[in-house]
Amino acid sequence: DAGVTQSPTHLIKTRGQQVTLRCSPKSGHDTVSWYQQALGQGPQFIFQYYEEEERQRGNFPDRFSGHQFPNYSSELNVNALLLGDSALYLCASSLVQSFPGYTFGSGTRLTVV
Amino acid sequence: GDSVTQMEGPVTLSEEAFLTINCTYTATGYPSLFWYVQYPGEGLQLLLKATKADDKGSNKGFEATYRKETTSFHLEKGSVQVSDSAVYFCAINQAGTALIFGKGTTLSVSS
Repeated sequence: DAGVTQSPTHLIKTRGQQVTLRCSPKSGHDTVSWYQQALGQGPQFIFQYYEEEERQRGNFPDRFSGHQFPNYSSELNVNALLLGDSALYLCASSLVQSFPGYTFGSGTRLTVV
Repeated sequence: GDSVTQMEGPVTLSEEAFLTINCTYTATGYPSLFWYVQYPGEGLQLLLKATKADDKGSNKGFEATYRKETTSFHLEKGSVQVSDSAVYFCAINQAGTALIFGKGTTLSVSS
């Protein structure tokens, strides 16, 4: 049973560019949450998607946006990249009816230069 | 809002030493409590959890007890191994809300 799959694993972008990160949830899960983990810090909640809609949002600017597809996979988009966006981006999936059961992916390491 | 406070690291121990990592939380309701572990270059793995007061979560020799009266969830292990070297995160979660993490505690175990 595949867990949470994130792609790409690493990428380097230039300041001002846009980036899209992808997440495939664990089989059977219907909810996807995204977290940003800066170096040496704990993960910070960005937003959560369920039924293709953003259900909750953390304290992140509108440059961060997302999408969930009918197959429950999700994308995180970041526009106008800043150096401070460099971080490990983690995707977590869960089943809304089986709280609390989060499964995390291994993350995408984004470096903005 | 809800928050988690972990003891600052790094924690440096010799193999077979006793480990305690303190975690306290602030929450308006009765959250579920978690410990996650992150090995170098990897994502988060759930280590253990407790969903109600006095529950004890345990896994791989690690234990933590949900103490509602002290709003704490301290992580303990009786005898650490070199392979336990990692970053440990305490987290809380209430139904309908996102996981909230502490800043993490780095554990380094030497042989």
